[in-house]
Amino acid sequence: DTGVSQDPRHKITKRGQNVTFRCDPISEHNRLYWYRQTLGQGPEFLTYFQNEAQLEKSRLLSDRFSAERPKGSFSTLEIQRTEQGDSAMYLCASSWGRGGNNEQFFGPGTRLTVL
Amino acid sequence: QKEVEQNSGPLSVPEGAIASLNCTYSDRGSQSFFWYRQYSGKSPELIMSIYSNGDKEDGRFTAQLNKASQYVSLLIRDSQPSDSATYLCAVSGPGNTPLVFGKGTRLSVIA
Repeated sequence: DTGVSQDPRHKITKRGQNVTFRCDPISEHNRLYWYRQTLGQGPEFLTYFQNEAQLEKSRLLSDRFSAERPKGSFSTLEIQRTEQGDSAMYLCASSWGRGGNNEQFFGPGTRLTVL
Repeated sequence: QKEVEQNSGPLSVPEGAIASLNCTYSDRGSQSFFWYRQYSGKSPELIMSIYSNGDKEDGRFTAQLNKASQYVSLLIRDSQPSDSATYLCAVSGPGNTPLVFGKGTRLSVIA
């Protein structure tokens, strides 16, 4: 059983460019979450999916951000027209999502730097 | 606005001592409570989960929950230099909802 994987691990882009990140959850997990973390802060929730359905989006998720999970397996997070304030670690987590167990396991993250 | 508060530290303890980390939360409807460890430049790693009042022990770690006081703590016994990291407290409501994190407490274990 492999853990959550994310790709790429690092991304440097110029302001105004679009970027896309991928997350592959633990195989039997049906919930997938995206968080963002900046230096000195805890992770902040962005959005999450149960299977292919996007159940909730944070108000942090501006119109420039879009996420999808087309077949209920991997997910992508796209940021359009990147801004310097988008520089952060983007974390993906997955959970079994059944019963009362809400243990979420994180991937290694994608560190985005917007120049 | 759901909030989770932690002392940012740094908390310094000598090797072999007990480290005590504390967390308070604002939402009385919270039902699931977690402690994550995060090394510098790495992603959070789940170390403890607790769902009911009282203590839960796992090896050198003990999580304590008091829902009436809206308080969660983590005790690390026989602290080791390898325990030096930031410890994040996270809370969620019913139904496997997203986690709300504190800013973390930086722990330094001095050899």
